[in-house]
Amino acid sequence: DTEVTQTPKHLVMGMTNKKSLKCEQHMGHRAMYWYKQKAKKPPELMFVYSYEKLSINESVPSRFSPECPNSSLLNLHLHALQPEDSALYLCASSQLGLSNQPQHFGDGTRLSIL
Amino acid sequence: KNEVEQSPQNLTAQEGEFITINCSYSVGISALHWLQQHPGGGIVSLFMLSSGKKKHGRLIATINIQEKHSSLHITASHPRDSAVYICAVGPKETSGSRLTFGEGTQLTVNP
Repeated sequence: DTEVTQTPKHLVMGMTNKKSLKCEQHMGHRAMYWYKQKAKKPPELMFVYSYEKLSINESVPSRFSPECPNSSLLNLHLHALQPEDSALYLCASSQLGLSNQPQHFGDGTRLSIL
Repeated sequence: KNEVEQSPQNLTAQEGEFITINCSYSVGISALHWLQQHPGGGIVSLFMLSSGKKKHGRLIATINIQEKHSSLHITASHPRDSAVYICAVGPKETSGSRLTFGEGTQLTVNP
């Protein structure tokens, strides 16, 4: 069982819809991440939150809006997405935001944009 | 040239075979990670290394910092080992938590 829980597992939405992806961890980790992964490609970092503050934004379009309401929760709000945004969205967490710590990944949300 | 290169890209083995996946990188690193991704999508962190060798069950990971090279070995492979194995490094030059990923190795173990 994964210690990072993502909901929903699958999401189909139209280009005019607004939806949110959710991620939750209860390991006391203070860094949380959003990744986007296209088929047969490695994950691409989108955002990093450290101590509930946005520390890294990898020039992600504004139609993706992250939110970290508390240290256990991470949301990704979606609005006016494009078909090329269809992908697997992975959430991860680590104890602190350091690259020499293991990251714990969720199972992902598979997003399809119609 | 990518900062992290994995080989082979695809690997097919028979159950019971010894498997090696290689990872070379071109930057100074704080740590190297081996990750496993099954077809369902979830990623599992297998190892994090900054020197030497680690072992967990049938999996062994080694790293040579001077040669900028790491290997992941699977002994007595099993069909359930079929997955994509990804090498990722935490470069020293970049701040915080960014990882640089290899393209992954697709492993298929046939019964």
